[in-house]
Amino acid sequence: EDKVVQSPLSLVVHEGDTVTLNCSYEVTNFRSLLWYKQEKKAPTFLFMLTSSGIEKKSGRLSSILDKKELSSILNITATQTGDSAIYLCAVRIQGAQKLVFGQGTRLTINP
Amino acid sequence: EPEVTQTPSHQVTQMGQEVILRCVPISNHLYFYWYRQILGQKVEFLVSFYNNEISEKSEIFDDQFSVERPDGSNFTLKIRSTKLEDSAMYFCASSVAVNTGELFFGEGSRLTVL
Repeated sequence: EDKVVQSPLSLVVHEGDTVTLNCSYEVTNFRSLLWYKQEKKAPTFLFMLTSSGIEKKSGRLSSILDKKELSSILNITATQTGDSAIYLCAVRIQGAQKLVFGQGTRLTINP
Repeated sequence: EPEVTQTPSHQVTQMGQEVILRCVPISNHLYFYWYRQILGQKVEFLVSFYNNEISEKSEIFDDQFSVERPDGSNFTLKIRSTKLEDSAMYFCASSVAVNTGELFFGEGSRLTVL
């Protein structure tokens, strides 16, 4: 069975801290890994990763994929209260249309 | 910025009733999806739809569920004979391509079955 596991499940930090969120996967035939941010309702797209070792960056957020370790990390530097959300990792399998989601990491940034 | 819109935002129904959740995908997108998230659980894939037919479905998507694109803009999920365990947030999503692009999600329709 295809599986995506995120850690930690919950994280509370102070504003200005740097955080690293983890995602590992066990799937039959990996195609890509996607990160989403879910604040209130709709997950909003952050990154899509297909190649190992290439960092994707958007402002204070960055992400990298390690296909050897079957994992990805999402880094957020200089965190702000607006970064408080659930961060979802999802994997797309070759030849399939569905995304397989992890359970999410709930990140809380305290002022 | 174009977005996926869903209605209703919240629906309460009695067990055994039928519900229809509606979605308007982004206009130039070709692939449409329904996902659901039971409170406290993972987002789960239900079904994908392309070229006016189901292209992939999960084990969850049994005969109780159906999808339709009744006109050029709407994409609907019908749930027949609702059960308590159908209570969840239902997300519609769309994408330009299936393997190379990200999914854009709507705000979700919260279904509560009493």
